[in-house]
Amino acid sequence: EIVMTQSPATLSVSPGERATLSCRASQGVSDNLAWYQQKPGQAPRLLIYGASLRATGIPARFSGSGSGTEFTLTISSLQSEDSAVYYCQQYLNWPPQETFGQGTKVEIK
Amino acid sequence: EVQLLESGGGLVQPGGSLRLSCEASGFTFRSAWMAWVRQPLGKGLEWVATIKHDGSEKYYVDSVRGRFSASRDNAKDSMSLQMNSLRAEDTAVYYCAKEVRPLSGAFFDSWGQGTLVTVSS
Repeated sequence: EIVMTQSPATLSVSPGERATLSCRASQGVSDNLAWYQQKPGQAPRLLIYGASLRATGIPARFSGSGSGTEFTLTISSLQSEDSAVYYCQQYLNWPPQETFGQGTKVEIK
Repeated sequence: EVQLLESGGGLVQPGGSLRLSCEASGFTFRSAWMAWVRQPLGKGLEWVATIKHDGSEKYYVDSVRGRFSASRDNAKDSMSLQMNSLRAEDTAVYYCAKEVRPLSGAFFDSWGQGTLVTVSS
């Protein structure tokens, strides 16, 4: 099983500042990496797939980068509505064995 | 607009059974691989099961294999998750999700609102 590790557990950022979230895979997953946003009481929402491709309707302030084992989600100018938990997920394997990181909670300072 | 609507959650005793359903609309269901993903309250996400678009292949996380069974009815744009021999650690919100499968693995581009399963005596 590929283990996904996210850091930090909690990130407190002022509005308008940059937020940088990290995700590390226990083995290389190429660019088979997605990011999701989950607000309290809601289902997850796909933000990024293919490590760097924004999903439909996702604002340009969200960007993803990385390949192999190290990945980053950047929110360039944090808005109040970006307060949420963010999860990374790898999707390298066949047969299916998709795994998620434990999440990073982004708080507005 | 893609919509996924889960139902069937509730309180069940350890060792009991429950059947979850997911009704889909807004996309060509018969062409889509689908998945179940669960989330214990206050915790992270765990992929549970995947079912191929025609129902001919099903895959499960090790912890539920042999106890859970996924199925689908493409004529009704719906899928189900039959959960048997339920354990306390199966307590979670269960989401149905639409997969996008570019090569081998998949990510999830649409999610239902979830249904809560509580296993407790």
